[in-house]
Amino acid sequence: GAVVSQHPSWVICKSGTSVKIECRSLDFQATTMFWYRQFPKQSLMLMATSNEGSKATYEQGVEKDKFLINHASLTLSTLTVTSAHPEDSSFYICSATSAASTDTQYFGPGTRLTVL
Amino acid sequence: KQEVTQIPAALSVPEGENLVLNCSFTDSAIYNLQWFRQDPGKGLTSLLLIQSSQREQTSGRLNASLDKSSGRSTLYIAASQPGDSATYLCAVRLSGGSNYKLTFGKGTLLTVNP
Repeated sequence: GAVVSQHPSWVICKSGTSVKIECRSLDFQATTMFWYRQFPKQSLMLMATSNEGSKATYEQGVEKDKFLINHASLTLSTLTVTSAHPEDSSFYICSATSAASTDTQYFGPGTRLTVL
Repeated sequence: KQEVTQIPAALSVPEGENLVLNCSFTDSAIYNLQWFRQDPGKGLTSLLLIQSSQREQTSGRLNASLDKSSGRSTLYIAASQPGDSATYLCAVRLSGGSNYKLTFGKGTLLTVNP
């Protein structure tokens, strides 16, 4: 149980285009979802926290107009990287918690974004 | 601001050895601490979670300890195997309630040689 999936697993795009990444909880209702970014050999850095039906809360330094987060249902959150640039190339990982188990975040497999 | 440090950054051991990975954090007022495993290009797998009131947790060959007052945790791996090769991440959660934010260390890259 407690499986989180991400789609796509990798994506390559041209600079200036927008990319959408999906995060789904497959067998539980995710009341809260998190988006992280991980650069090579670096920590996972939390970008934003989203609760179903509410606006996302962004961490300091994360541009909310560039990284659009939508958490429209209890099983789906999307991250859209708008007008992507090479410096946005990174590994994006989502995680989710359920109301029944707020102590544990279940992580997705990640999405590798490469912006040319 | 909570900072999490993991030492060493990389570790290479022969198969069968016991080993210890270290994690330290600057703010001792944590809610819990977790150890994760990350395989190359993959997501995270939770290994052990220690609540702030606990001193250790065990799962199979893994044992994690927590000394909250000194801001330290260790992950002990017994009888290491090549399949244990991965990056091990430590993460702390500050307060309880609705603040679920995790602060991660940079990880320790473990290589177990056959």
